[in-house]
Amino acid sequence: KNQVEQSPQSLIILEGKNCTLQCNYTVSPFSNLRWYKQDTGRGPVSLTIMTFSENTKSNGRYTATLDADTKQSSLHITASQLSDSASYICVVSDRGSTLGRLYFGRGTQLTVWP
Amino acid sequence: EADIYQTPRYLVIGTGKKITLECSQTMGHDKMYWYQQDPGMELHLIHYSYGVNSTEKGDLSSESTVSRIRTEHFPLTLESARPSHTSQYLCASGRPGRDNEQFFGPGTRLTVL
Repeated sequence: KNQVEQSPQSLIILEGKNCTLQCNYTVSPFSNLRWYKQDTGRGPVSLTIMTFSENTKSNGRYTATLDADTKQSSLHITASQLSDSASYICVVSDRGSTLGRLYFGRGTQLTVWP
Repeated sequence: EADIYQTPRYLVIGTGKKITLECSQTMGHDKMYWYQQDPGMELHLIHYSYGVNSTEKGDLSSESTVSRIRTEHFPLTLESARPSHTSQYLCASGRPGRDNEQFFGPGTRLTVL
């Protein structure tokens, strides 16, 4: 069964600190993995995309890693800001679907305190 | 910011009412999707479309229906709303290509009393 598991479920950090979010998946055949940011009451917005051959991808203060062998990914946020408070969703795409099917994790709810 | 729009953003209605949630995109994407999302839970696919006159049910059973008469428009209709339909509904469109990127609208928060 194709699944995406994220941890922790929620996280509170102080402004300026770093944090790392985890994602494990069992989706096969694997196409790519995205991290989305979803602000409260808004739709998800893509932060990074990683394919099978990529290990690390950065987007400003966001750095994603992918280990395709162990089927694990992480999202590292550096020097957190209040605006980073949101849900971060790991989304995996399979290669075998013409639909473009996505498998979603439940997200990590990040709260950044001043 | 993706060019995909949903209206209304918030809707509170009574049981038994008929409602239509609007979704439009200006990117010319053929594939469009409706997802249902409850707090703290993952997005569940309830409907999708490959293009005009194509609609299919998704993984999560839903009493809603959809139509796709125009490429840019993918409305969702509930004939008789019930409290169990209370949820956030997200519309998305997918661009061509193998990376399966989907662009999401801002969502409609539906509350049925």
